[in-house]
Amino acid sequence: EAGVVQSPRYKIIEKKQPVAFWCNPISGHNTLYWYRQNLGQGPELLIRYENEEAVDDSQLPKDRFSAERLKGVDSTLKIQPAELGDSAVYLCASSLEAGGPSDTQYFGPGTRLTVL
Amino acid sequence: QKEVEQDPGPLSVPEGAIVSLNCTYSNSAFQYFMWYRQYSRKGPELLMYTYSSGNKEDGRFTAQVDKSSKYISLFIRDSQPSDSATYLCAMRNSSASKIIFGSGTRLSIRP
Repeated sequence: EAGVVQSPRYKIIEKKQPVAFWCNPISGHNTLYWYRQNLGQGPELLIRYENEEAVDDSQLPKDRFSAERLKGVDSTLKIQPAELGDSAVYLCASSLEAGGPSDTQYFGPGTRLTVL
Repeated sequence: QKEVEQDPGPLSVPEGAIVSLNCTYSNSAFQYFMWYRQYSRKGPELLMYTYSSGNKEDGRFTAQVDKSSKYISLFIRDSQPSDSATYLCAMRNSSASKIIFGSGTRLSIRP
């Protein structure tokens, strides 16, 4: 079974440029998460989707970050414009269902973003 | 104060040693406790998943949860160089899907 797929794996951009990350979750997983992981820290949730609906985006900096999950499968996370402090690893995860004992999240390899 | 505290290490032990990794937390509502392993330049991989208090064993790995002390542990027996990675504790309450992660402990097993 294929795991969570993310692309690109690495991205280097200059500040004020836009950037987008793509995620394809495990087949059949309705819940999709975007996390940001700063160096030496654990992942922090940015947004959670149940199918195509964003049900928790309280930690997403909405002035520059946006996300979408059209058709409830693939998802894209965008930053426009990027700032130096956005340099981090952006992780996508998916799970069968949110909450309850079966809510096990599986992570993709991440996209390492460097903003110069 | 962070909800989940974890010593960042690094922790270096010889091959074959028993490793003990720990986290403390402040939110008494947490019911599900997890340990993730993260290799360099990879995403976190779920190792152990425990509900409420008690022990859970899986091969060389044992997870312990003490809710009265708000303290969780991961023990690795007969440690191998391939166990060298960052270990993240994580937890959530019974209804919410949001996981709170510790900052991770970097572990190195010397051959």
